[in-house]
Amino acid sequence: RKEVEQDPGPFNVPEGATVAFNCTYSNSASQSFFWYRQDCRKEPKLLMSVYSSGNEDGRFTAQLNRASQYISLLIRDSKLSDSATYLCVVRPGGNEKLTFGTGTRLTIIP
Amino acid sequence: GAVVSQHPSRVICKSGTSVKIECRSLDFQATTMFWYRQFPKQSLMLMATSNEGSKATYEQGVEKDKFLINHASLTLSTLTVTSAHPEDSSFYICSARVPGRNEQFFGPGTRLTVL
Repeated sequence: RKEVEQDPGPFNVPEGATVAFNCTYSNSASQSFFWYRQDCRKEPKLLMSVYSSGNEDGRFTAQLNRASQYISLLIRDSKLSDSATYLCVVRPGGNEKLTFGTGTRLTIIP
Repeated sequence: GAVVSQHPSRVICKSGTSVKIECRSLDFQATTMFWYRQFPKQSLMLMATSNEGSKATYEQGVEKDKFLINHASLTLSTLTVTSAHPEDSSFYICSARVPGRNEQFFGPGTRLTVL
């Protein structure tokens, strides 16, 4: 089983729609969780950290379910500029190393 | 804040040569930096953790004699790909964690092509 699993997609979504991504992780001791976005041939950029209570940043909402070892990202009112690969990233406890999912590719269609 | 730079952004070299990639934290000091490699349509794979003033820690399967890492100052880590071969062609990305913060910030990456 992969340490971090994501549906690779692609997700092709019309502009203005709401889209949700899910991610599962295998290490129950993991302590930190993030969503990064990566544009084609570019480096990953931090989108948001994910907290146990859930958190929102504008059109983006992230949630964490520790019992199910599950992380989600919701994008509302999607824009063309949201087209990218979204990476679920986990950091095991007591360890600075990050473990990346394979990413979910999103394309917003005009 | 939290800007990480890399140089060069792109390099093309002949098989057998060595290539040095620099990673700098521009507005913070980083005692630890990380080097990743990403092949097309794959996710980032951690190669090694670079520790300022001490030896790097390599991930399983990464040859330390082939991928030399030096972290001589709190703002600079270098990765040298020695005797490069075409299979080393990849996108190499470094990252650093800002002290006191949870997240890591990535450099813009170096695209290496070995002919």
